[in-house]
Amino acid sequence: GAVVSQHPSWVICKSGTSVKIECRSLDFQATTMFWYRQFPKQSLMLMATSNEGSKATYEQGVEKDKFLINHASLTLSTLTVTSAHPEDSSFYICSARYVAGRDTEAFFGQGTRLTVV
Amino acid sequence: RKEVEQDPGPFNVPEGATVAFNCTYSNSASQSFFWYRQDCRKEPKLLMSVYSSGNEDGRFTAQLNRASQYISLLIRDSKLSDSATYLCVVNPFFSGGYNKLIFGAGTRLAVHP
Repeated sequence: GAVVSQHPSWVICKSGTSVKIECRSLDFQATTMFWYRQFPKQSLMLMATSNEGSKATYEQGVEKDKFLINHASLTLSTLTVTSAHPEDSSFYICSARYVAGRDTEAFFGQGTRLTVV
Repeated sequence: RKEVEQDPGPFNVPEGATVAFNCTYSNSASQSFFWYRQDCRKEPKLLMSVYSSGNEDGRFTAQLNRASQYISLLIRDSKLSDSATYLCVVNPFFSGGYNKLIFGAGTRLAVHP
């Protein structure tokens, strides 16, 4: 099946620094990728939809200036958590669909566990 | 009201048991439905899609009731390896957003010997 690779799988950073997370579709082109955040024992919450070559669409309540998304190519989307704080510690997961359609399976990256100290 | 609601569990069942999970969704115009499985500290993986006519894949059976906006997953002959969190996922249908997936909080299943 289609593979989505996410890097890094975990990162620890100091408060106030920025962290970049990469999401790559390895064997297909993804015009749209999705970024989710998951706190312990909670559901995946969609943060934003990343569109290749255009601005990301953010969900209500997600600060676009804090969570910068860049989708520069059909196989790569990046999420940068700027000026990270301990409350940003979470599990961040990206996903992409092989075909842009409502019934197709979404493939997920392995996730990035961010800890801000 | 949450868009997708599930009983968080946990469901603790012995091997061989049959267990059923339920899920309700709020958007009556939703078009696609899925069950995903998520192991601890791992990414979700598709278990099965849910079709209006109901569908079965081995020990797993999914049902959809559009009138009641209700989805179910039945697991027969539970195995230890079935222990995981099961996520009910809905693809709402609205202009410009048909690609989104909305996740329920998940139902935890623990199968014991």
